Amino acid sequence: DQQVKQNSPSLSVQEGRISILNCDYTNSMFDYFLWYKKYPAEGPTFLISISSIKDKNEDGRFTVFLNKSAKHLSLHIVPSQPGDSAVYFCAASALTAAGNKLTFGGGTRVLVKP
Amino acid sequence: DGGITQSPKYLFRKEGQNVTLSCEQNLNHDAMYWYRQDPGQGLRLIYYSQIVNDFQKGDIAEGYSVSREKKESFPLTVTSAQKNPTAFYLCASSMTGLHTDTQYFGPGTRLTVL
Repeated sequence: DQQVKQNSPSLSVQEGRISILNCDYTNSMFDYFLWYKKYPAEGPTFLISISSIKDKNEDGRFTVFLNKSAKHLSLHIVPSQPGDSAVYFCAASALTAAGNKLTFGGGTRVLVKP
Repeated sequence: DGGITQSPKYLFRKEGQNVTLSCEQNLNHDAMYWYRQDPGQGLRLIYYSQIVNDFQKGDIAEGYSVSREKKESFPLTVTSAQKNPTAFYLCASSMTGLHTDTQYFGPGTRLTVL
């Protein structure tokens, strides 16, 4: 039972254009969401996060949007750069007695073409 | 220079042997985590520890064991009971075990069982 899904396994975008990555979740207890970027054979790097009390968070070229009613979040990268080519994971967590357990989506591979 | 280190980068093991993966952090973080990534998939939580001398099973703990005797160290043992041990293993840490604390990842260890 995948609680966090990234339905697009790959995305190709032209340098300078916008990249939009999508993520859906099913667990209504999730109230904190993160995006990570990962290069092959390396650990994920934290990009940006958002709490469920917000619907938007922006950091430089990266903006995350959260639609709680639709249980959907998206990551916008503007403008896209060749160095953005990587796999992007969304992750979610919930306030539970079990502590900080992240549930990850399957990832979206982004290719930015020069 | 603070961070999370994992060693070795690549590890080969014969079937039936136990192997221990190292994870060290000098970030003074209370919580540490072990994840596994299989090709084309997201990260899955194996074990986590919110404080020294305490740890909990994650979603896929069978065939693995951990210890947390020191704040900075969280070694993972892959035992012979783990049926599909070949994978990319990632260690992470966060300031506390709060579910809104960002988890930061090490570079990973690729384990191959021959």
